[in-house]
Amino acid sequence: DSGVTQTPKHLITATGQRVTLRCSPRSGDLSVYWYQQSLDQGLQFLIQYYNGEERAKGNILERFSAQQFPDLHSELNLSSLELGDSALYFCASSARTGPNTDTQYFGPGTRLTVL
Amino acid sequence: ILNVEQSPQSLHVQEGDSTNFTCSFPSSNFYALHWYRWETAKSPEALFVMTLNGDEKKKGRISATLNTKEGYSYLYIKGSQPEDSATYLCAFRLDSSYKLIFGSGTRLLVRP
Repeated sequence: DSGVTQTPKHLITATGQRVTLRCSPRSGDLSVYWYQQSLDQGLQFLIQYYNGEERAKGNILERFSAQQFPDLHSELNLSSLELGDSALYFCASSARTGPNTDTQYFGPGTRLTVL
Repeated sequence: ILNVEQSPQSLHVQEGDSTNFTCSFPSSNFYALHWYRWETAKSPEALFVMTLNGDEKKKGRISATLNTKEGYSYLYIKGSQPEDSATYLCAFRLDSSYKLIFGSGTRLLVRP
């Protein structure tokens, strides 16, 4: 157990809908990262927040948005869902393990199925 | 486009065999190289973070080396056990941003 929690575990929805995925980082971690794991692709970085501020952005679609709240939990909002958005969405949080390093601890993931 | 390549894609070994896999990454603008172990139905678990050329890290029977000049890292497992069966991912950190670029992994199956 990494200490990162994600809800829900599974989500089944229809095309065109909007969903919100939630992540709580490990106690004391200020950074939260979101990743997408599709069937035919490796882990793709979506976005990172640090203490409430967006810090880095990957290949995140305009239909997707995220935020990090004052209590440091984060939400990933996916709207106008398409079949291709079906994937495993991971959240990770980071703690410093040494100078210039940052181990990321992954949550259990949310499996999204768009029908 | 930055690519992180891992080879082989999959590997089947017998219990007790030692094995190794490769992660290749761009050698310029290197910041850090991460190794993760990902068991089926679980989340990726951090193994090592490596930053310096020539770095060697060890955790039990698993060790890793890093060559930043030529852009590769090796992960070694000595005396593989069935519980080592997992996908091993490497991830390259390009710069001071915290973005990790993951390879597609090496899937290891250790037969008893």
